[in-house]
Amino acid sequence: DVKVTQSSRYLVKRTGEKVFLECVQDMDHENMFWYRQDPGLGLRLIYFSYDVKMKEKGDIPEGYSVSREKKERFSLILESASTNQTSMYLCASSTIPGLAGHIPFFGPGTRLTVL
Amino acid sequence: QQQVKQSPQSLIVQKGGIPIINCAYENTAFDYFPWYQQFPGKGPALLIAIRPDVSEKKEGRFTISFNKSAKQFSLHIMDSQPGDSATYFCAATAIHSGNTPLVFGKGTRLSVIA
Repeated sequence: DVKVTQSSRYLVKRTGEKVFLECVQDMDHENMFWYRQDPGLGLRLIYFSYDVKMKEKGDIPEGYSVSREKKERFSLILESASTNQTSMYLCASSTIPGLAGHIPFFGPGTRLTVL
Repeated sequence: QQQVKQSPQSLIVQKGGIPIINCAYENTAFDYFPWYQQFPGKGPALLIAIRPDVSEKKEGRFTISFNKSAKQFSLHIMDSQPGDSATYFCAATAIHSGNTPLVFGKGTRLSVIA
């Protein structure tokens, strides 16, 4: 079974802190994604990556950056956390189109609270 | 611009009822339509998916109906159970265009009451 793990289930940070959210997948997937989930707004794509050291902006990249130094690991960075970044953050991974597993598998999420 | 519109936002049905969740899209390039199910405290999990070359797909008690001309698709849950209470997301992507991320609807919170 595909496993996508996220470093923390719950995280509390203060405004202005630099925050790192880590995601690791164990299925050698090429693609990795970061979404945030807010009530009434659904899942919104922050950043995604198709390969090591590659990244693409999603719909709401402002205030975030990402890092993918290894194929299995995709990190989301909040450079200076703000209260409006309080949210559930979901990581996902997938293979390329045409292969089994091309639809994203999600991790359990990290609920981040910024005070 | 919301590319996938999902309704209703929330839904309450009695056990045994048939909740229906509807989604509509604009982008005719979309060619793959998955549904995800999310329980509280968990990440979304793939439930069922359909391609536009079929009008219906069933997996157990879950059925997707697809209307290509209307650019709409819907999820039906037959004989719904309290254990089906969850948030459901429809999504769409254009596989033939290569690596394009899923576009999600805003979700429907379903409650099945005994």
